[in-house]
Amino acid sequence: TQLLEQSPQFLSIQEGENLTVYCNSSSVFSSLQWYRQEPGEGPVLLVTVVTGGEVKKLKRLTFQFGDARKDSSLHITAAQPGDTGLYLCAGAGTGNQFYFGTGTSLTVIP
Amino acid sequence: DTGVSQDPRHKITKRGQNVTFRCDPISEHNRLYWYRQTLGQGPEFLTYFQNEAQLEKSRLLSDRFSAERPKGSFSTLEIQRTEQGDSAMYLCASSFWAGNEQFFGPGTRLTVL
Repeated sequence: TQLLEQSPQFLSIQEGENLTVYCNSSSVFSSLQWYRQEPGEGPVLLVTVVTGGEVKKLKRLTFQFGDARKDSSLHITAAQPGDTGLYLCAGAGTGNQFYFGTGTSLTVIP
Repeated sequence: DTGVSQDPRHKITKRGQNVTFRCDPISEHNRLYWYRQTLGQGPEFLTYFQNEAQLEKSRLLSDRFSAERPKGSFSTLEIQRTEQGDSAMYLCASSFWAGNEQFFGPGTRLTVL
């Protein structure tokens, strides 16, 4: 059972465009992580957000954690072909599991 | 390289055979997690260890699956009597403590013919 829903599931954009990926849940998470995964490889951690309302920036990527710690967004400015990959959000619940989202597959066309 | 490593990277087996995968976590990390990921989906939790103790198992982990972390360092995941539905990427991750950031290995891609 996936507790985190991501949208959109697939996204294909031209180089230079902006995009936003959403990660939504009805559950509260103590922290939320964003990963990027390339084909045949494991996910690579991009950022962890902990505080409700927190905004973190990583170069052209902006991550926001919802005030209620149930949702998050990832915004990419001026996307580049190197941004292509599967973006995953993962929430740390009150137990010891990490719950992963359904994933957003991003393709940036040169 | 001080990251998480997994071996083998790829495994092709026939239905009914047993397979074993190994994960070496980051050395100072106490927690080790196993996940399964099918194409186009996010990873699904299988089990995790705190040092050598296996503390939680998902109901996805049938009786054919067993995981160990005998000395609190590396871990093995064994699948007995493999089925075609076991074909997936098996990912290992480690973290320093509960709820902390996880770092993933490159995964083992299993194909059951």
